[in-house]
Amino acid sequence: LAKTTQPISMDSYEGQEVNITCSHNNIATNDYITWYQQFPSQGPRFIIQGYKTKVTNEVASLFIPADRKSSTLSLPRVSLSDTAVYYCLVERGGLGGDKLIFGTGTRLQVFP
Amino acid sequence: GAVVSQHPSWVICKSGTSVKIECRSLDFQATTMFWYRQFPKQSLMLMATSNEGSKATYEQGVEKDKFLINHASLTLSTLTVTSAHPEDSSFYICSGGGNSNQPQHFGDGTRLSIL
Repeated sequence: LAKTTQPISMDSYEGQEVNITCSHNNIATNDYITWYQQFPSQGPRFIIQGYKTKVTNEVASLFIPADRKSSTLSLPRVSLSDTAVYYCLVERGGLGGDKLIFGTGTRLQVFP
Repeated sequence: GAVVSQHPSWVICKSGTSVKIECRSLDFQATTMFWYRQFPKQSLMLMATSNEGSKATYEQGVEKDKFLINHASLTLSTLTVTSAHPEDSSFYICSGGGNSNQPQHFGDGTRLSIL
């Protein structure tokens, strides 16, 4: 599975848009990019998944360039409750049946 | 969406005790489930892949005789930490994947504290 690299931490203020970029240079053709959010003492929670171009749901957008070697999670108008660790992962086939290797994640701190 | 239930959420026990953690997929069948361990301020570390009806596959450095995994049905995997010691204290998390392009779903973890 492709290794992912993302910033260790980011700070933001309430109401701002936050963009977290992840690099995955060795992504394979049938790999999907998935982002998870984790709060302290909880399991990771699925945010969004994509293969290419742009994906948007009710909580975030995911931008993936044509070469798929990176991706950007965009959180619009963050609030204090968005303070969490965000993990970018490459998931084989997007089928959920393959093991996931977690990188360091990005610790997002939102200030009032 | 798919739900994974993990039990217990929190356990404290004496050194030398064996502790069993259950992971259930509530609304989907999981032929494969995964067990992770997470230390404070660190990322999740994959321990093993639990395969329904067959032996688990352990990651390098994880003792299979220490961390016993049983996946006897399509909705239940258990992790037993045998003869637990203080260094086994950690946050244990399971996950399961559905079928047909469904991402993995995680339980809410079990906080294990060995005194």
